[in-house]
Amino acid sequence: GQQLNQSPQSMFIQEGEDVSMNCTSSSIFNTWLWYKQEPGEGPVLLIALYKAGELTSNGRLTAQFGITRKDSFLNISASIPSDVGIYFCAGPSGTYKYIFGTGTRLKVLA
Amino acid sequence: SQTIHQWPATLVQPVGSPLSLECTVEGTSNPNLYWYRQAAGRGLQLLFYSVGIGQISSEVPQNLSASRPQDRQFILSSKKLLLSDSGFYLCAWIGLAAPTNGFAFGPGTRLTVL
Repeated sequence: GQQLNQSPQSMFIQEGEDVSMNCTSSSIFNTWLWYKQEPGEGPVLLIALYKAGELTSNGRLTAQFGITRKDSFLNISASIPSDVGIYFCAGPSGTYKYIFGTGTRLKVLA
Repeated sequence: SQTIHQWPATLVQPVGSPLSLECTVEGTSNPNLYWYRQAAGRGLQLLFYSVGIGQISSEVPQNLSASRPQDRQFILSSKKLLLSDSGFYLCAWIGLAAPTNGFAFGPGTRLTVL
């Protein structure tokens, strides 16, 4: 079945550094969603992408819908300690289902 | 605005005991509802989804079941819990507000089976 692979699996960065992570699919997507999950909470939607090549920002976060429609990228600029969490990509799998990536665990060192 | 509730927030149950987790959505009608499970340090596994009252689709064969007795209520159940059922259970919905709002999650229920 469809799989979403996220890279890297985890990152340890210094406060102030920029962060890049990506998500690849074994098949074409028409929607990409990026979520952040903090410990003990449900994931929260950060950015939604609906068109190949689309570049969308939410504060210091920028996400891109890959031209091939099989990948997406999330960048965080000037990271701060509250950026800590697990970042998931997600996309529709069939008419009603959504599948999630394996997650990128981010830790920011002050 | 739309909100999604889950309860209980945490639960500790012995092996072999029954389970009932509840999810309700406010501020929308006819949402698609979902149950996901997240094992410790792992990703999100889709368990069930429902596109309407009484309609349940199962993604993973296991000792869990789901029901949707009302439009905005989704219940996850088990007759006999296993140790492997421990995890963080998340309810999610998507409705007419999508795609603008994407796919929204509840606060989750942390289940520990001993």
